[in-house]
Amino acid sequence: DAGVIQSPRHEVTEMGQEVTLRCKPISGHDYLFWYRQTMMRGLELLIYFNNNVPIDDSGMPEDRFSAKMPNASFSTLKIQPSEPRDSAVYFCASSLDTSGANVLTFGAGSRLTVL
Amino acid sequence: KNQVEQSPQSLIILEGKNCTLQCNYTVSPFSNLRWYKQDTGRGPVSLTIMTFSENTKSNGRYTATLDADTKQSSLHITASQLSDSASYICVVSDMEYGNKLVFGAGTILRVKS
Repeated sequence: DAGVIQSPRHEVTEMGQEVTLRCKPISGHDYLFWYRQTMMRGLELLIYFNNNVPIDDSGMPEDRFSAKMPNASFSTLKIQPSEPRDSAVYFCASSLDTSGANVLTFGAGSRLTVL
Repeated sequence: KNQVEQSPQSLIILEGKNCTLQCNYTVSPFSNLRWYKQDTGRGPVSLTIMTFSENTKSNGRYTATLDADTKQSSLHITASQLSDSASYICVVSDMEYGNKLVFGAGTILRVKS
């Protein structure tokens, strides 16, 4: 398996523009997570899905952020309109379940810079 | 508020030396504690996972220990290599909140030749 695949790896955009980040989880993993990482706040959970259904979106900063998972092999995180404070690395991760011994596998991340 | 605190914030050691990273947590009850390694520009990669009943777990030159009574964990790196330079993140699974992961801020390790 190629692991969790994210695109784009880097995105530079101007304030006010729409940004769409994409993720392909590991096949067979029922859980998909979106995290944001910044120097100030570390890794923060934004939202996670179980079997394509959003379970907890309490970490989504505001209405400008939305996430979808139309099928088991694809998810998107959209920011519209983007703001400079959204600049961060966004990670997608997947796992078989949320039990104790289960490993959470991260993608390589999408580095977003909003000018 | 549940927290995971790591120390030191950063560390520089010479290649070949050993080092120990610390993690103190207040998450309770917890189901497991994990250590992740994050190379610059990459996603975190799991090193070890320990349940509350385990005291130690090794993965090559990495050995993690856990004291559930004092709520402390450590990651010991033996005979460090330049490739060990990375951020090491302690993560605790919060059983009360559906095993939600609580992340520490990480320790940045730099191994010098």
